[in-house]
Amino acid sequence: EDQVTQSPEALRLQEGESSSLNCSYTVSGLRGLFWYRQDPGKGPEFLFTLYSAGEEKEKERLKATLTKKESFLHITAPKPEDSATYLCAVQERDSSYKLIFGSGTRLLVRP
Amino acid sequence: GAGVSQTPSNKVTEKGKYVELRCDPISGHTALYWYRQSLGQGPEFLIYFQGTGAADDSGLPNDRFFAVRPEGSVSTLKIQRTERGDSAVYLCASSLDLREQFFGPGTRLTVL
Repeated sequence: EDQVTQSPEALRLQEGESSSLNCSYTVSGLRGLFWYRQDPGKGPEFLFTLYSAGEEKEKERLKATLTKKESFLHITAPKPEDSATYLCAVQERDSSYKLIFGSGTRLLVRP
Repeated sequence: GAGVSQTPSNKVTEKGKYVELRCDPISGHTALYWYRQSLGQGPEFLIYFQGTGAADDSGLPNDRFFAVRPEGSVSTLKIQRTERGDSAVYLCASSLDLREQFFGPGTRLTVL
């Protein structure tokens, strides 16, 4: 079964047009939820970890939030250099420390 | 920089051959992970080491895949009798505190 589902699969924004990416998850117990950015031909780059519902973290134009069933990555006034694939992953409690990833959202920001 | 490094960056091999992929984790990181990423998908877990031992190898697809980490630092992922379906990007990550995992650039494996 799908444990981590990201939507939309692809998103095109105009520079400055704010939007949100969604990550919904189904796990028996959440140890942590992780957001990564991945540029073409490169490995994922760590952005945020969220541990409990209600938690929020920010970095430049990005803000990640967490509820009991989903997480949002809000992008405020994006720039072309924010274009990348954004990956969400969960780490389950009472299991090994492996990450379970979604398929990602491909973001393109046009100037 | 002192990030995770992986070699080679690209590997092309023929069906049936044996390959080894190497990962150098961030210095001092005791946890090391291998993932495999197919085009358009997120990384898929293969194996996790804590120190020298494999703490979880449940993601290895079959017995053609094997990984070692003999001294608790560098790790090698070994694939025997490669198949075309093994073609993917193989990613390595390391972690200090079992929370944030930091990824290397990956090895792109192509099996002809």
